[in-house]
Amino acid sequence: NAGVTQTPKFRVLKTGQSMTLLCAQDMNHEYMYWYRQDPGMGLRLIHYSVGEGTTAKGEVPDGYNVSRLKKQNFLLGLESAAPSQTSVYFCASIRQMNTEAFFGQGTRLTVV
Amino acid sequence: GENVEQHPSTLSVQEGDSAVIKCTYSDSASNYFPWYKQELGKRPQLIIDIRSNVGEKKDQRIAVTLNKTAKHFSLHITETQPEDSAVYFCAATGSYIPTFGRGTSLIVHP
Repeated sequence: NAGVTQTPKFRVLKTGQSMTLLCAQDMNHEYMYWYRQDPGMGLRLIHYSVGEGTTAKGEVPDGYNVSRLKKQNFLLGLESAAPSQTSVYFCASIRQMNTEAFFGQGTRLTVV
Repeated sequence: GENVEQHPSTLSVQEGDSAVIKCTYSDSASNYFPWYKQELGKRPQLIIDIRSNVGEKKDQRIAVTLNKTAKHFSLHITETQPEDSAVYFCAATGSYIPTFGRGTSLIVHP
């Protein structure tokens, strides 16, 4: 039982490049989230999903897209990376409403 | 949407002292309040949580209190140890979206 796994762990992109971050959970959780963590800003919600095939915007969605084609996977895409997207990205999942969030190990992304 | 304020942003204590971190929330519908600890370079992990039908919860050296009327909740750590040094996040959840505070960096000096 691996929990929540993110790939990759580190990535350096050039401005304008694209990439996809993968989040996989093996706990059969319905709800999945992508957050970004910046110094002094806490965890800000980018996009979330309440079930397979559904996605919704969070607090800071601009410049990102997501997909949840399978219940266990939640993908975060950057179509044209910008230096402002340099951050640590965390995926999280929740079994049901108002329960503990389980986080992936994070992805440190640098856009130069 | 929900808004969570967390204070202080940095807290420095001597080993053995107590530490208190406070959070306020805006949405009266929120009813689940977890606290997460994030060690340097690691993922956030739940350390304690409280639900709206409870005023206080304790687990060894850590405790959480909730005042629903005032919409604030607090984390209390007693007899702090160097291994308590980390960033602590509070969160408030009304349904399925956890909203996090900005975090408190706790530094425990030996």
